[in-house]
Amino acid sequence: DQQVKQNSPSLSVQEGRISILNCDYTNSMFDYFLWYKKYPAEGPTFLISISSIKDKNEDGRFTVFLNKSAKHLSLHIVPSQPGDSAVYFCAASANSGNTPLVFGKGTRLSVIA
Amino acid sequence: KAGVTQTPRYLIKTRGQQVTLSCSPISGHRSVSWYQQTPGQGLQFLFEYFSETQRNKGNFPGRFSGRQFSNSRSEMNVSTLELGDSALYLCASSGTVQETQYFGPGTRLLVL
Repeated sequence: DQQVKQNSPSLSVQEGRISILNCDYTNSMFDYFLWYKKYPAEGPTFLISISSIKDKNEDGRFTVFLNKSAKHLSLHIVPSQPGDSAVYFCAASANSGNTPLVFGKGTRLSVIA
Repeated sequence: KAGVTQTPRYLIKTRGQQVTLSCSPISGHRSVSWYQQTPGQGLQFLFEYFSETQRNKGNFPGRFSGRQFSNSRSEMNVSTLELGDSALYLCASSGTVQETQYFGPGTRLLVL
């Protein structure tokens, strides 16, 4: 049973436009969420996180939105750049980050120049 | 500050063999977690160590084991390798269990 789902395996966006990556979760105990970016032949790189006490967290071009009632979070990248092309993983944890991370299967973002 | 390092980066083994992978966390980090990444399954949690104690274990068979040393370095071992064990094995470290995890580059294991 997949507790964290990224339903879009891939996404293509024009350079300069907004990229929106979505993630749904089923476990209502999850209260800490993270986004990681992964380039080929490298480990995932931490991007941004959000705790369930917030509904938005922003860091430069990256903003994460959390909708607890819908059990949905999204990552917005504005403006998108070719260097953002990578696989993006959503991850969740319960008990304020005290339980193992559960990852989605990833969304491959391609930013086209 | 140096990042998480993993050795070796690439490994080819045959079925039935065993393998040991190593992970050195970021200096000062005491928590180390291991993940398996395969194309179909994404990243799946293997186990987590903190101060030499295994705190959590994922849903993997007993052929997968690990340990952590007093300097926080960690090793994972897979015995009696199967073709399906071919994957990228990732190690992540954090200062404490609740802090953000930082990943190493991974060890790509191919089982023939």
